[in-house]
Amino acid sequence: QVQLVESGGGVVQPGRSLRLSCAVSGFTFSSYGMHWVRQAPGKGLEWVAVISYDGSSKYYADSVKGRFSISRDNSKDTLYLQMNSLRVEDTAVYYCAKDSHSSWYGYFDPWGQGTLVTVSS
Amino acid sequence: QAVLTQPPSASGTPGQRVTISCSGSTSNIGSNYVHWYQQLPGTAPKLLISRNNQRPSGVPDRFSGSKSGTSASLAISGLRSEDEADYYCAAWDDSLSVWVFGGGTKLTVL
Repeated sequence: QVQLVESGGGVVQPGRSLRLSCAVSGFTFSSYGMHWVRQAPGKGLEWVAVISYDGSSKYYADSVKGRFSISRDNSKDTLYLQMNSLRVEDTAVYYCAKDSHSSWYGYFDPWGQGTLVTVSS
Repeated sequence: QAVLTQPPSASGTPGQRVTISCSGSTSNIGSNYVHWYQQLPGTAPKLLISRNNQRPSGVPDRFSGSKSGTSASLAISGLRSEDEADYYCAAWDDSLSVWVFGGGTKLTVL
């Protein structure tokens, strides 16, 4: 069955960096767009970034543009989110999700279980 | 402030029908599909309705979606206690080139 497993979360100080990974199985990773979506404690969902099937197209939320970078390694069936210059307001559970299309305008299904990132001094 | 507007809460008794609205603009709901996600307490979100009104396999037919102009709605009939969850609408925004979510609606089954 389709599985998405995030890792790399933890506690980090403001201004530092962190890289999240999302290992997938059960589908042809290289054929689908992939997303990162986050959820701050007690808050709603916020879309973060998307990457197309081949990595040629990427889009970011304004709140992370210039600080976060989404990438993928299709040979390893793994999605990444490089997070630089982290801020307290980046504290959230980060979910990866598969797009139903090869690009970025399908729907998100399924989602991983999430990994918690806490930015605190 | 979420781009798509949802009521923060909704409630109903078992067996009732409830609807959750999602209001947007011409650049998002007015131009693209709306998708709905259910988040049960302590779990990751799950796709509930895709492309305005399509139910994925395994989603009970008690759940239905609709769209008209720049608004969409999720209807839940025959309300059950296990439907107590947060519900989110989402759409691609052509003007902003981003995905936008509603702020979420917490459904309580009384």
